[in-house]
Amino acid sequence: EAGVTQFPSHSVIEKGQTVTLRCDPISGHDNLYWYRRVMGKEIKFLLHFVKESKQDESGMPNNRFLAERTGGTYSTLKVQPAELEDSGVYFCASSRDLTNSGNTIYFGEGSWLTVV
Amino acid sequence: QKEVEQDPGPLSVPEGAIVSLNCTYSNSAFQYFMWYRQYSRKGPELLMYTYSSGNKEDGRFTAQVDKSSKYISLFIRDSQPSDSATYLCALNTGFQKLVFGTGTRLLVSP
Repeated sequence: EAGVTQFPSHSVIEKGQTVTLRCDPISGHDNLYWYRRVMGKEIKFLLHFVKESKQDESGMPNNRFLAERTGGTYSTLKVQPAELEDSGVYFCASSRDLTNSGNTIYFGEGSWLTVV
Repeated sequence: QKEVEQDPGPLSVPEGAIVSLNCTYSNSAFQYFMWYRQYSRKGPELLMYTYSSGNKEDGRFTAQVDKSSKYISLFIRDSQPSDSATYLCALNTGFQKLVFGTGTRLLVSP
């Protein structure tokens, strides 16, 4: 079974440009999450999809960030326009259901974003 | 004040040592306590999770939760160089938004 896959693995863009990160969750996982770790800080929650619906987007930092999950499969996270403080690693994660028996949330390897 | 506090380390130990990793937290609503291991340039990998207070053992790893003190621990017995990684505690209230500690970097020398 393939794990959570993210693309691109690394991206270097200039301030003001746009970047789109993609996440393919594990097949059959209705729940998809985006997290972010900026330099020197802890991993922080951005948002949670259940299928194609945003369940919780309380962690999205501002309106420069737009997440979509059309059709309830893969998700994209767009940053437009990118700022220097957006640099960090963006993790996608998925889980099968919302019950906490096992509470297994699987993470991808992350998309490393550098804004210069 | 952060919701979860974790010493970033690094923590350096010789092979075979017993390692103790800890987190403290402030929100008494947390009910689920996870430990993730993260190798360099990889994503977090779930090691263990515990519901409420108590101990849970899995091979060389033991997770311990003391809700009265708001203190969680991960013990690694007979540590190996392959255990060298960053260990992250993660907590949630039952809704799957995880709150992470900063992670402790562990170095196990041969």
